[in-house]
Amino acid sequence: NAGVTQTPKFQVLKTGQSMTLQCAQDMNHEYMSWYRQDPGMGLRLIHYSVGAGITDQGEVPNGYNVSRSTTEDFPLRLLSAAPSQTSVYFCASKEGQNSNQPQHFGDGTRLSIL
Amino acid sequence: EDQVTQSPEALRLQEGESSSLNCSYTVSGLRGLFWYRQDPGKGPEFLFTLYSAGEEKEKERLKATLTKKESFLHITAPKPEDSATYLCAVQVPSGGYQKVTFGTGTKLQVIP
Repeated sequence: NAGVTQTPKFQVLKTGQSMTLQCAQDMNHEYMSWYRQDPGMGLRLIHYSVGAGITDQGEVPNGYNVSRSTTEDFPLRLLSAAPSQTSVYFCASKEGQNSNQPQHFGDGTRLSIL
Repeated sequence: EDQVTQSPEALRLQEGESSSLNCSYTVSGLRGLFWYRQDPGKGPEFLFTLYSAGEEKEKERLKATLTKKESFLHITAPKPEDSATYLCAVQVPSGGYQKVTFGTGTKLQVIP
């Protein structure tokens, strides 16, 4: 059971470059989300999706885009990378938006912007 | 504003030395409090969910408890493999969805 799979595991970008972080889950979960984790700060929600075709902004959405064309996949796009976006990015999923069940996390993408 | 504070930031224990990690919260309408374990280079791994004051959950050497203002993660006779960062998170209703707020974690090191 793969759970939540994120690719790539590591990435280095130059300021201004764009890229897509991939996230896929095989648990048929409706709800998926993207977080960033920075030293000394808790996980912060970037964007989330409650189902295919439906996305919304979280706490820190600026500079990021998402789409949800299938239940399984929820890619995160950096439009024009900035050093402030250097972070570890985690994708998570759970059964439904209003479920009290915990989220399942991937192992993250470590992103450095030079 | 919802707040979650974990203490201590870091904890160093000798193998077998029991202790507790604290997660205090200030929220309206708690729907659930989650404990996760995070190993270096990995994503958070779910441990427990607590829903109401007085509830307790146990798993091996870990026991989580919940009051109306805080949660404790008790570690009994820890082993080196318990070394990790422990995160807590609270879930509350917010504008039609369930908002989850994470604490900054407690980094636990267990020395053989």
